[in-house]
Amino acid sequence: DTGVSQDPRHKITKRGQNVTFRCDPISEHNRLYWYRQTLGQGPEFLTYFQNEAQLEKSRLLSDRFSAERPKGSFSTLEIQRTEQGDSAMYLCASSPGPNYGYTFGSGTRLTVV
Amino acid sequence: DQQVKQNSPSLSVQEGRISILNCDYTNSMFDYFLWYKKYPAEGPTFLISISSIKDKNEDGRFTVFLNKSAKHLSLHIVPSQPGDSAVYFCAASGGGSQGNLIFGKGTKLSVKP
Repeated sequence: DTGVSQDPRHKITKRGQNVTFRCDPISEHNRLYWYRQTLGQGPEFLTYFQNEAQLEKSRLLSDRFSAERPKGSFSTLEIQRTEQGDSAMYLCASSPGPNYGYTFGSGTRLTVV
Repeated sequence: DQQVKQNSPSLSVQEGRISILNCDYTNSMFDYFLWYKKYPAEGPTFLISISSIKDKNEDGRFTVFLNKSAKHLSLHIVPSQPGDSAVYFCAASGGGSQGNLIFGKGTKLSVKP
């Protein structure tokens, strides 16, 4: 297992387009998290899954954002009708459970032009 | 309302000397604290953690100290090396965060040869 994988690494899109990111966690980790990081800020929590159940969503996750983890393995994060303010690094992480350190992927850098 | 604060955006240290990175938190229910290191264009990597039942945890050159009464923790790196130059994030969980990590804004450490 090579850790948490995220695809793509970079995405440039025009405002108003939809984008989808994929995250493959460490296989034995049942928790999967999505975070967003902008310049000068720490990672900000978006949502997390325990297996296939989405258990919490941040108020940062507007109705244009949706995340899925259909079989409790990989996850997708979709942003509809992208806005310039969505430009950020989107980080995925996984962990075996609460109060364990996360393993982060390398992130997907989104630029909305 | 920032629950985890890193008040120093940057720190510069000479190689071989001690680096001390500080972090304050406001939620007294946090019970697990972590430090992450982040290089540009990579996801954060876990460095060291401490549970609230301890006041010190050591791992090689890295030591984390926790002062619960002051709601303060610090990361000491001794001796500092140029390869330690990175952004360091303090994170906390517990207190209703459901195991989700709340991150500070980070401190950029530069270790000069």
